Amino acid sequence: DTGVSQDPRHKITKRGQNVTFRCDPISEHNRLYWYRQTLGQGPEFLTYFQNEAQLEKSRLLSDRFSAERPKGSFSTLEIQRTEQGDSAMYLCASSPGVLQNIQYFGAGTRLSVL
Amino acid sequence: AQSVTQLGSHVSVSEGALVLLRCNYSSSVPPYLFWYVQYPNQGLQLLLKYTTGATLVKGINGFEAEFKKSETSFHLTKPSAHMSDAAEYFCAVSETNAGGTSYGKLTFGQGTILTVHP
Repeated sequence: DTGVSQDPRHKITKRGQNVTFRCDPISEHNRLYWYRQTLGQGPEFLTYFQNEAQLEKSRLLSDRFSAERPKGSFSTLEIQRTEQGDSAMYLCASSPGVLQNIQYFGAGTRLSVL
Repeated sequence: AQSVTQLGSHVSVSEGALVLLRCNYSSSVPPYLFWYVQYPNQGLQLLLKYTTGATLVKGINGFEAEFKKSETSFHLTKPSAHMSDAAEYFCAVSETNAGGTSYGKLTFGQGTILTVHP
């Protein structure tokens, strides 16, 4: 068990560019979550997957955001036409999806949009 | 809709003193409650959780929390602070269905930064 892995750890981009982040969950965890955390705030839920199915999306997830989990293993989160307001830490978590649904978090990807 | 309020964005204690971090929640159904800790440039680590059963739950690093339904609170305590406890702490709630299964997403409070002075 190597934990939840996120790549890259840091991303600096210019406004208007597209970025993609990757999350590798703990092996055999069938639920995968994305959260966004801005400075001084707690993480906010973005979306989650059960296996490859995207079951819920937050209103925070605008049309410029898309997430996939094509084979029910790793997931990607893409932001198109980035804006300065997208600057945040993007956290991924996974859980075994059983009764208590304890979520295990990765170290996050810090995005800075210039 | 569920929500979490953490009273006090910053708490400062002396090494060896009692740590008390406050959390109140709002939920229309019996919730699952969690405390996570975040060290700089790291992800969140689970400290402890309440799901059902005993209302006083013990976690890692000597922390514990008590679920008080009547007060809708889940305050985190530690009898004696260590320098290594300095971090940001988040309280979170997950709603459950009638069968007691968590819906999944966590709603977090805004966090409390704990500073420990020598």
